[in-house]
Amino acid sequence: DIVMTQSPDSLAVSLGERATINCKSSQSVLYSSNNKNYLAWYQQKPGQPPKLLIYWASTRESGVPDRFSGSGSGTDFTLTISSLQAEDVAVYYCQQYYSTLPTTFGPGTKVDIK
Amino acid sequence: EVQLLESGGGLVQPGGSLRLSCAASGFTFSSYAMSWVRQAPGKGLEWVSAISGSGGSTYYADSVKGRFTISRDNSKNTLYLQMNSLRAEDTAVYYCAKLGAPRWELPRGYYFDYWGQGTLVTVSS
Repeated sequence: DIVMTQSPDSLAVSLGERATINCKSSQSVLYSSNNKNYLAWYQQKPGQPPKLLIYWASTRESGVPDRFSGSGSGTDFTLTISSLQAEDVAVYYCQQYYSTLPTTFGPGTKVDIK
Repeated sequence: EVQLLESGGGLVQPGGSLRLSCAASGFTFSSYAMSWVRQAPGKGLEWVSAISGSGGSTYYADSVKGRFTISRDNSKNTLYLQMNSLRAEDTAVYYCAKLGAPRWELPRGYYFDYWGQGTLVTVSS
């Protein structure tokens, strides 16, 4: 199985400042046949289910604010919140679906307001 | 609007059984593969099981293989998870999740674009 790791475990950022979350996979999730990275990002607020933010490593889901962006390729990925808002307080998970059975998630990164 | 509504969770003793349901609406249910994903209290996300749109193909995490059975009734737009021989470590919120495309292109897959609100399963004596 592909193992996903995330860093940091948690971070506190001032309102309006940038938040950066890293995700690393134990093997490449870039498929050479279509040049796509099989990597998604989710946001989970307390008491709520995960919400899809980003897929194919950098494609923003419809309705997701453009302050959220994804980047990276191969084994190293980043989720950036360009200007943190109060409503962005949540846990963020990355997921690989390159080897989809099983698909695996990172352990999560908790984002708080400083 | 896509909606997924889980039910059937509750308190069960170790070794017991429970059947979860997920009622789907807002999309052509029979065209999409579906999954169950669980989250133990205070922990991360763990994929549990998946089923193709027709129901003809099913897949399980090693941790539940032989104990859980996924199924679907496309005439009722409902996904199920039959859980037997439950253990304390199965305690979690169970989410049903819709695949972001109708089917996998195995071994490659897709993200989950919609999730239900979840149903809590507690295994304890």
